[in-house]
Formats: sequence, C-alpha cells, structure tokens
Amino acid sequence: SQQGEEDPQALSIQEGENATMNCSYKTSINNLQWYRQNSGRGLVHLILIRSNEREKHSGRLRVTLDTSKKSSSLLITASRAADTASYFCATGASGNTPLVFGKGTRLSVIA
Amino acid sequence: DTAVSQTPKYLVTQMGNDKSIKCEQNLGHDTMYWYKQDSKKFLKIMFSYNNKELIINETVPNRFSPKSPDKAHLNLHINSLELGDSAVYFCASTGTSRHEQFFGPGTRLTVL
Repeated sequence: SQQGEEDPQALSIQEGENATMNCSYKTSINNLQWYRQNSGRGLVHLILIRSNEREKHSGRLRVTLDTSKKSSSLLITASRAADTASYFCATGASGNTPLVFGKGTRLSVIA
Repeated sequence: DTAVSQTPKYLVTQMGNDKSIKCEQNLGHDTMYWYKQDSKKFLKIMFSYNNKELIINETVPNRFSPKSPDKAHLNLHINSLELGDSAVYFCASTGTSRHEQFFGPGTRLTVL
C-alpha cells in the first residue's frame, strides 16, 4: 500500500525562487529519503534523513523530518531550470527492506 | 561507468508473448530490486533479492519470475504479457548497511 504522499502534486516556480515539497507517511520508519527523477530517466538519490534526525542539509537542499506528525519536507533553494523533475519521498523500515514511495511532486522551474 | 544498467531500454511486444528484462550492477551490492512504475508515476516494489535469494515477493502475478544468476544480476521474465503490464520497470540495488538505492535507467514496456 502507498506509504508516502507528497504534496503538492505539481509545482511551478520561477528560476531563483525556493521550492518546498511535503511528504506524509503512515507507519514507523527507520529513515526517509528523497529522490529525483528526470523525465525518461531512473531515480537518483538526493538525501537521506534518519528517524532520529530533525533536519539535514546538502548543497541547496534542506530536508526536515517530524516523526510526531509523520511528515517531511524538501526545500530546494535558489531553484534552477535544471531542477525541473519529479521528486519522490521514500520511507525505509530497516536494513535493506524495499523503499515505499510516494506519488511524487512534479516540479517545473521556469527560466 | 554505469552503476546499474538495464536492457533493453524499450520493449514493444504483443499480448501473450514472453519477454525478459536484464539488470546488472557493478557496485558490489548484495541486494537488488525490481520496481514497477505505472502511467501515473506510482512506483511499487515487485521483488527483492539478497545474495541471489528471493527476500520479498509482493503481490505480483506468477507470470512474473525473477532470476538472479549471481549477486550482480537480477533478471525479470514475464510470461503471457497483458496490456496492464505496460509500464516502466526499474531495477535498483543497495549495499549492506546502506539505505540509499541506486536505480537503473528503466525499461519501458509497451504491450499492444
């Protein structure tokens, strides 16, 4: 069954603006990950946040995790046209269990 | 160098045919997966293999049979293809004690 639910489903912004995507999940997790998928391509891992972490940064990416609300957000600062892609959150239970993906947010950055 | 590769990239076939998709990873990972992404971009796990052994088999029709000849390869054979099998199939892998998964480029299967 679906674990993560991203919102919004689609987001369109101007280059240079910040983009925020949210993810909610249902069950206990070991970690939460964000992936990017460019059109016609495979998924690329962006960032992982563990269940005992609240915030993590990687370059222009900032991820927060609120386990009490079972939610996470991905912030992309100073967006670029190349950030145009679909972004998925995925939750991991433990070990090498398969990830459970949300439906994704389609981000369009207009130059 | 490609980390996770899949062949073919595109596959168009008629209903009722049998087809295979191959996946190889050169990352030395122990665990490999097959995911299916439907037309609405919903990505769902199908199978998980660890050291050539099947770990997880989600509710996938038995027309789908994965085979792992060694740790670096996980192939997917599909019998009696149906229209609803049309999707993009992704192979992925991960290493021991790692959580990030590395995905292949996908195989777009179209059943006519």
